[in-house]
Amino acid sequence: LAKTTQPISMDSYEGQEVNITCSHNNIATNDYITWYQQFPSQGPRFIIQGYKTKVTNEVASLFIPADRKSSTLSLPRVSLSDTAVYYCLVGDDGPGFQKLVFGTGTRLLVSP
Amino acid sequence: DAGVTQSPTHLIKTRGQQVTLRCSPKSGHDTVSWYQQALGQGPQFIFQYYEEEERQRGNFPDRFSGHQFPNYSSELNVNALLLGDSALYLCASSLEENTEAFFGQGTRLTVV
Repeated sequence: LAKTTQPISMDSYEGQEVNITCSHNNIATNDYITWYQQFPSQGPRFIIQGYKTKVTNEVASLFIPADRKSSTLSLPRVSLSDTAVYYCLVGDDGPGFQKLVFGTGTRLLVSP
Repeated sequence: DAGVTQSPTHLIKTRGQQVTLRCSPKSGHDTVSWYQQALGQGPQFIFQYYEEEERQRGNFPDRFSGHQFPNYSSELNVNALLLGDSALYLCASSLEENTEAFFGQGTRLTVV
């Protein structure tokens, strides 16, 4: 499974756009990129998954360059409730992504 | 539709004791995975159950065992508890053909 590297922490203010970049230099051809969000004392929650280019849902966007060696999770106009840990995962399970390998994640703090 | 439910929410055990944690998957989900999350770390995969059999296993000793019942619910058993087993234990359920895994709120185990 490809190793991922993300910033340990990030700070932002309400209403700003937040971009969290994840490096995965050894990503394999079959690997998907998935992001999870976790609040304290809760289980992680799926945010978005992609393979290449751009994926957007009602919560976030995921940008993946052509070489797929990195990806960026974009959270538009964050609020205080977006304060959480964000995990970037890379794996080849694809749909039915079931054995999840988490790193230490990025701790996002949103201030008023 | 109830999501993934885990019981109990909190538990205190003494070193050397045994513990059983329980998980009911999201309705319709047939696969259950267990994760251990130490304070400040990302969740670590313990094992996964499908059709009442252990399908994958992470790097955990045999003291960690599990079971899946015909109704897809699952138990995690830990024998000979160590202080280092203190953690948040997370259960996740999924379907093979779906993208995301759904996590429960977890069981906070404290070993004293």
